[in-house]
Amino acid sequence: QVLLQESGPGLLRPSQTLSLTCTVSGGSIRSPGHYWSWVRQHPGKGPEWIGYIYYSGSAYYNPSLRSRASLSMDTSRKQFSLNLNSVTAADTAVYYCARSVHESVDSTGYPTPYFDYWGPGTLVIVSS
Amino acid sequence: ESVLTQSPATLSLSPGERATLSCRASQSFSNSLAWYQQKPGQAPRLLIYDTSTRATGIPARFSGTGSGTDFTLTISSLEPEDFAVYYCQQRGNWPALTFGGGTKVEIK
Repeated sequence: QVLLQESGPGLLRPSQTLSLTCTVSGGSIRSPGHYWSWVRQHPGKGPEWIGYIYYSGSAYYNPSLRSRASLSMDTSRKQFSLNLNSVTAADTAVYYCARSVHESVDSTGYPTPYFDYWGPGTLVIVSS
Repeated sequence: ESVLTQSPATLSLSPGERATLSCRASQSFSNSLAWYQQKPGQAPRLLIYDTSTRATGIPARFSGTGSGTDFTLTISSLEPEDFAVYYCQQRGNWPALTFGGGTKVEIK
């Protein structure tokens, strides 16, 4: 059973940098076919994918957040992290870390990722 | 960018009834789709992946179908614990991933 746990500040001022860390337990962070993801959810809305990172360090981002988001990984600590700079009130949301599975490909030859394990989520509020 | 539209926004049903949830993609980037269930204060839980494969531990009353731009999640007979919000998710133009806006299944 893979467990994920988010940690980081719950309150930020506008223009600050959001920094969250996810700690993985119960499984390997270096497992092939698994990427490590950040997803956020604004109140009453559907989830929004932020990005994912592989244990090799390769990272992919939502185009709408690419200019402000940065993912990193510390395999020795079994942790991966999200930095989101220049936050505004629009970044207020519940932030989840999750494991995404990239084992299947469709007819286009690209993976068809889905999220099988999630952390409980952490609420981040941006307010002056 | 692919947009996933879920309908209806709310489905009011009684326990034992059949629930049919729809997810439509604005563009066909993939023939594969995933479904999640979310209860208040909890993270989403994976139900279905690769359009029709149930995740580990998911009861057989949950089933997924579809291809192209139209996908469906069916709950054959609603149990009390099935009343929740359901989201679909798909890969868009690689590497982007997109979620739908959700369908709330509520007790009638």
